[in-house]
Amino acid sequence: DGGITQSPKYLFRKEGQNVTLSCEQNLNHDAMYWYRQDPGQGLRLIYYSQIVNDFQKGDIAEGYSVSREKKESFPLTVTSAQKNPTAFYLCASSTDRKHEKLFFGSGTQLSVL
Amino acid sequence: SQQGEEDPQALSIQEGENATMNCSYKTSINNLQWYRQNSGRGLVHLILIRSNEREKHSGRLRVTLDTSKKSSSLLITASRAADTASYFCATDAIGDDKIIFGKGTRLHILP
Repeated sequence: DGGITQSPKYLFRKEGQNVTLSCEQNLNHDAMYWYRQDPGQGLRLIYYSQIVNDFQKGDIAEGYSVSREKKESFPLTVTSAQKNPTAFYLCASSTDRKHEKLFFGSGTQLSVL
Repeated sequence: SQQGEEDPQALSIQEGENATMNCSYKTSINNLQWYRQNSGRGLVHLILIRSNEREKHSGRLRVTLDTSKKSSSLLITASRAADTASYFCATDAIGDDKIIFGKGTRLHILP
């Protein structure tokens, strides 16, 4: 089955802790994205990557970090500098740099203990 | 920065009726996409319309684009309970290397 997989589905962070959200795709897509969604809100772009070993900041990158060492993987780290991390995090991928027809994972709900 | 804004924020209709939701945006675009999100899940791509297109169909979906008014509409005909979801427009602005999602319309189909 081709698709995009996010894990874990639920994640809890203690104060001062860094946590990493996993995103893996076997669609052979070049571009990958991380979005944050707050209740009743739209999606806000955190980071995106159009090719391996390259990524760009989105609109709300502060307090987050990413890496793109492999085409199929784009993990997101929520650092302790992110003071309000509670949100639903969505990873997506697309075939090329045109940002058309994004495929989304099922999301990770991050909460603060 | 929000590019697309959907209207209305929420919509409840009877099953079998048509549902129309609108999206307005601020700057010139390459294309506009519509996505659906079921509660607690990821988004699913529905349809893409390019800036040189005025109307597009896919099954029970009809999308229109008016670049002079910077607006788009999504029509779902003969609605079903399974259409209950949030619907988002996403715009690819010219000169901006990313797409921007609106806040969505929450659609509820009443049995």
